[in-house]
Amino acid sequence: DAGVIQSPRHEVTEMGQEVTLRCKPISGHNSLFWYRQTMMRGLELLIYFNNNVPIDDSGMPEDRFSAKMPNASFSTLKIQPSEPRDSAVYFCASRPTATGASSYNEQFFGPGTRLTVL
Amino acid sequence: RKEVEQDPGPFNVPEGATVAFNCTYSNSASQSFFWYRQDCRKEPKLLMSVYSSGNEDGRFTAQLNRASQYISLLIRDSKLSDSATYLCVADNYGQNFVFGPGTRLSVLP
Repeated sequence: DAGVIQSPRHEVTEMGQEVTLRCKPISGHNSLFWYRQTMMRGLELLIYFNNNVPIDDSGMPEDRFSAKMPNASFSTLKIQPSEPRDSAVYFCASRPTATGASSYNEQFFGPGTRLTVL
Repeated sequence: RKEVEQDPGPFNVPEGATVAFNCTYSNSASQSFFWYRQDCRKEPKLLMSVYSSGNEDGRFTAQLNRASQYISLLIRDSKLSDSATYLCVADNYGQNFVFGPGTRLSVLP
């Protein structure tokens, strides 16, 4: 039973280059989340989708970041142009749609993409 | 002020010790609470959900105090394998899943 799949696992790029991170959520999960984790800021939610529709992108740092979810089984996070301060681990997570007042649906995380921008 | 705050740590404890982590949340609309565990260079994984009445899973006990907006995690008889970072999470009907900064635990032989 495959979990959340992310690619690439590691990315090293030079400042100014475009970076595309990919995520395949667990089949049947309706919500998808993109997070960024750094030592200084911890785990930050960037954006999340319900049924392929972006619900909250208030965590996206600036216009250089964009995310898409063209279908239920695929999402991308793009950084263009990349900067050294974007270096972090980017996690994708998915979960079944949370419903009702007693919602204890956990998020399942992918292994992350470790991005280094030189 | 951060929406979810945790003990800064790190906690260094000997094997067999009992250790408690505290977490506070500021959004009174939060309805669901979780503890996640994250090993070094790995993704966070759910340790346990936190129920209103408190719940226990083996050596782990989670408590919730809604009046004080406070969550705790107690680990009894700690093992070397418990060494990790523990993340507290507050969620509002699936609309606002917020992680705390985490508390690092090192269990020493």
